[in-house]
Amino acid sequence: AQSVTQLDSQVPVFEEAPVELRCNYSSSVSVYLFWYVQYPNQGLQLLLKYLSGSTLVKGINGFEAEFNKSQTSFHLRKPSVHISDTAEYFCAVVHGSSNTGKLIFGQGTTLQVKP
Amino acid sequence: ETGVTQSPTHLIKTRGQQVTLRCSSQSGHNTVSWYQQALGQGPQFIFQYYREEENGRGNFPPRFSGLQFPNYSSELNVNALELDDSALYLCASSLGPGGKVNEQFFGPGTRLTVL
Repeated sequence: AQSVTQLDSQVPVFEEAPVELRCNYSSSVSVYLFWYVQYPNQGLQLLLKYLSGSTLVKGINGFEAEFNKSQTSFHLRKPSVHISDTAEYFCAVVHGSSNTGKLIFGQGTTLQVKP
Repeated sequence: ETGVTQSPTHLIKTRGQQVTLRCSSQSGHNTVSWYQQALGQGPQFIFQYYREEENGRGNFPPRFSGLQFPNYSSELNVNALELDDSALYLCASSLGPGGKVNEQFFGPGTRLTVL
């Protein structure tokens, strides 16, 4: 069975500092990888996705992630965070041959950006 | 272009009651997926509807059921509510089922509280 592990439940960081949110997945088959952001009392917004090709993926709001197949990781990074980046971040995978494209989510990481 | 909308925003029910949640998909999308997000957890896939038929189901009991209408809007019905059903219910629509090319667009969710 596939699973997604987000290694940090909370990440506090000061404004303008770099941040990395870690994500590991377990799967014996090909997967597609996603990062979503959830602001308070809102739904999920797609930040970026890896489907194939270049392992470095750039997304919205200055975020990027790198797919590492040997490490089964898909860590999210931003070189300089803003107060407005404070939110819940979810890593998710989709089984490569899924007929539904159902997303399997990690537990989430709360990014707390401090002034 | 109208995004995914859900109603109601909040709902309070008591144990044993039944509830219906509604979702309007984004224009042009024929696929709707439902997820349950318990407090402090990542969303979990409930089921998916594609062209008015159930296309896949997660690990949820039969008292969770759904419908999709000809205009591709959808309903989630939960019978015999239990306290553990308290959660944020998210609806996502996409151009079709499958994972690689069909990005899921999420609505803001319905917060269900079961007392």
